[in-house]
Amino acid sequence: EAQVTQNPRYLITVTGKKLTVTCSQNMNHEYMSWYRQDPGLGLRQIYYSMNVEVTDKGDVPEGYKVSRKEKRNFPLILESPSPNQTSLYFCASSFQPSTDTQYFGPGTRLTVL
Amino acid sequence: GENVEQHPSTLSVQEGDSAVIKCTYSDSASNYFPWYKQELGKRPQLIIDIRSNVGEKKDQRIAVTLNKTAKHFSLHITETQPEDSAVYFCAASTSGSARQLTFGSGTQLTVLP
Repeated sequence: EAQVTQNPRYLITVTGKKLTVTCSQNMNHEYMSWYRQDPGLGLRQIYYSMNVEVTDKGDVPEGYKVSRKEKRNFPLILESPSPNQTSLYFCASSFQPSTDTQYFGPGTRLTVL
Repeated sequence: GENVEQHPSTLSVQEGDSAVIKCTYSDSASNYFPWYKQELGKRPQLIIDIRSNVGEKKDQRIAVTLNKTAKHFSLHITETQPEDSAVYFCAASTSGSARQLTFGSGTQLTVLP
């Protein structure tokens, strides 16, 4: 089954404790991205990747890191989480970056205390 | 960069009535306009999209219209049903751009039985 998976689905952590949210897709998509969803703000892009070892900042990259060492995986790293990073996070992938269907993962609900 | 504004933020309609959600965009180079539906607790999923060489597109009870001159596009849902209740996001992007989609802030549609 073609899908995008994320783990964990729910995470409660404390300020400053490094965490990683994993994202994996099995559709051989070149393009992957991370979004955060906050009430009234829609989906805002954090980082995106056009291919292995190619990543770039989206609209709200501060406090986040990503890596793309394999085509299928695109983890999101919060090295020192803060309460303002409490949000719902979605990973997405597609064949083309801008004019193709985005396939979203199930989401990760992160709470930073 | 692109800015997408979406209205209204909430919309309630009686079952069987029509619903219209409107979006405006700022970048005249944008040429791809998808709409995503997000049911409660679920991931966003593409429901319809339109490209700039087309003025209108229909898929059963859903239609999207595009006015390039005014830089706005709209989602029309006819004969609404309770299962149409969800958050709807519009988005815009430019073909060939490495950036992915810029989303609107979302519309919570509630279909009242």
